Amino acid sequence: AQKITQTQPGMFVQEKEAVTLDCTYDTSDPSYGLFWYKQPSSGEMIFLIYQGSYDQQNATEGRYSLNFQKARKSANLVISASQLGDSAMYFCAMRGRNSGNTPLVFGKGTRLSVIA
Amino acid sequence: DVKVTQSSRYLVKRTGEKVFLECVQDMDHENMFWYRQDPGLGLRLIYFSYDVKMKEKGDIPEGYSVSREKKERFSLILESASTNQTSMYLCASRTGGESNQPQHFGDGTRLSIL
Repeated sequence: AQKITQTQPGMFVQEKEAVTLDCTYDTSDPSYGLFWYKQPSSGEMIFLIYQGSYDQQNATEGRYSLNFQKARKSANLVISASQLGDSAMYFCAMRGRNSGNTPLVFGKGTRLSVIA
Repeated sequence: DVKVTQSSRYLVKRTGEKVFLECVQDMDHENMFWYRQDPGLGLRLIYFSYDVKMKEKGDIPEGYSVSREKKERFSLILESASTNQTSMYLCASRTGGESNQPQHFGDGTRLSIL
């Protein structure tokens, strides 16, 4: 079974600073995928970034990057140059066996607050 | 863009009622999912379906059932609603086969059982 652990219930960051949101995972599958989602107060889940277990490089999407350390089983999200609109819940999720039919397993989330 | 539509943003029902939550996706996705979200617990999988008329239990299926008669529609049913089913319900869909594709979510239904 897969498990995602997000140890930071809440984080604060100053506007324009970078912030790292932690995510560790546990799986026995040799092939898996890791995802990050953002959930603003309005409730919709917005997909941010994906990292495959066999990807050689860390994923990046605009201001989002993933610090993937396979040996440590961690997949931390880095947000550079934080903006007020980044205030939201952030969820780390994984799919084991990296199969299209397998549901995502989610962590409990981290609430990020960006301060002006 | 993928569109996942949940029938209601807010819903109030009474204990003992049979409640239907509807979800429709417009991208011909094979896979559909129902999660519930509670503060401090994250998203927990209730049921999912990988094809028409197919369903699989998730982590917390008790008190729920699902129906998938057409590919685009996945319904969650609370057979006899109870107050502990007050929650945010999120539907998602995803294409099959391609491993790096994310799940696409609807806007959620905030369900209150009184």
